[in-house]
Amino acid sequence: DSGVTQTPKHLITATGQRVTLRCSPRSGDLSVYWYQQSLDQGLQFLIQYYNGEERAKGNILERFSAQQFPDLHSELNLSSLELGDSALYFCASSVPGRTGGYTFGSGTRLTVV
Amino acid sequence: AQTVTQSQPEMSVQEAETVTLSCTYDTSENNYYLFWYKQPPSRQMILVIRQEAYKQQNATENRFSVNFQKAAKSFSLKISDSQLGDTAMYFCAFSFMKTSYDKVIFGPGTSLSVIP
Repeated sequence: DSGVTQTPKHLITATGQRVTLRCSPRSGDLSVYWYQQSLDQGLQFLIQYYNGEERAKGNILERFSAQQFPDLHSELNLSSLELGDSALYFCASSVPGRTGGYTFGSGTRLTVV
Repeated sequence: AQTVTQSQPEMSVQEAETVTLSCTYDTSENNYYLFWYKQPPSRQMILVIRQEAYKQQNATENRFSVNFQKAAKSFSLKISDSQLGDTAMYFCAFSFMKTSYDKVIFGPGTSLSVIP
């Protein structure tokens, strides 16, 4: 157990639907990062939050949004889902002031049918 | 722009042998960190080893060690006494601080197969 909790582990939904992925960072970590990994692909950075504020955006579609709550958990909302959104979505967290060294959650496997 | 390159998409090694995975990066930052992450078939991302750029001594974690050449912007991973459990995708990553957050950039990965 890495200390970063992602739920659900698996999600199957239909095209056009909306889903919410949840992430609880490791205790003490203020930064949360979301990554998308399609089949046999590398990690695509989506978005980062630091203590409730958005800090950096990557290749995140307009159909996707995220937020970090006061208790530091984060949610990634994916709407108007398309087949191409099927992927493994990772959340990671890090210690403030210590550069890098992400701790990853186990990921949410999203399948859009 | 900051980039990380892994020029070997796939590699294989015999069990108990040694293998080296290559990584190069490009940055204008002076203070940064480098990492190797392992992603086994379970798809879990696991931090293997971490190197601070200001340290000249190469990091070592058990059978894993790095060869960090700052001037050449090279950061290779050596796995000694390879084990079947080392079969995984390996990602090289680079990280630097930007105001109050850190940004991590991942390479495309090298798929390593350990052959019995």
